[in-house]
Amino acid sequence: QQQVKQSPQSLIVQKGGISIINCAYENTAFDYFPWYQQFPGKGPALLIAIRPDVSEKKEGRFTISFNKSAKQFSLHIMDSQPGDSATYFCAATNAGGTSYGKLTFGQGTILTVHP
Amino acid sequence: DAGVTQSPTHLIKTRGQQVTLRCSPKSGHDTVSWYQQALGQGPQFIFQYYEEEERQRGNFPDRFSGHQYPNYSSELNVNALLLGDSALYLCASSTSRTLYGYTFGSGTRLTVV
Repeated sequence: QQQVKQSPQSLIVQKGGISIINCAYENTAFDYFPWYQQFPGKGPALLIAIRPDVSEKKEGRFTISFNKSAKQFSLHIMDSQPGDSATYFCAATNAGGTSYGKLTFGQGTILTVHP
Repeated sequence: DAGVTQSPTHLIKTRGQQVTLRCSPKSGHDTVSWYQQALGQGPQFIFQYYEEEERQRGNFPDRFSGHQYPNYSSELNVNALLLGDSALYLCASSTSRTLYGYTFGSGTRLTVV
């Protein structure tokens, strides 16, 4: 019940295209859903996060869409750039409960943006 | 403003040995969490320290232990190393009041031979 399932495992997009990564969760106690970007040799860096009281959050070229009834959320990267090439992880936690600060991560998506 | 600092960056150990990894949290952060990231996988939560005590723990054996000092820095100790312990070990710091600003270090790459 603690799993977060992420797809696809890898994604190749042309420069200027839209990258879409999907995640599904099982634990209905999760109430905070961040997305992380990780470059080789670096730790994950927070991109954008959402709480389940909203269905969409946009920050620059990055948008999270959230479907509470389906227990799914997705990351959309608009106008994808070669510099966006990295591994992306979705994560989830119960920010208001006893598992505060314990992030459960998806398996990751390797994004390659071709120039 | 320094972020999360981890040391060493790389480490090679022999099976059966013990290892200690270190983490200095971001300024203003009082909570430290440790994660194990195997190659090609997402990070897996090991445990979290707050006020020098282990506050919660993931599904890792007792060979994994930790400590937090009064200055909020933390150590991860792994005893009786196994080949399967080879991974990137990440430290993340945060405040006890909000998850916003939850910040990861660049990690320690541990190789067990």
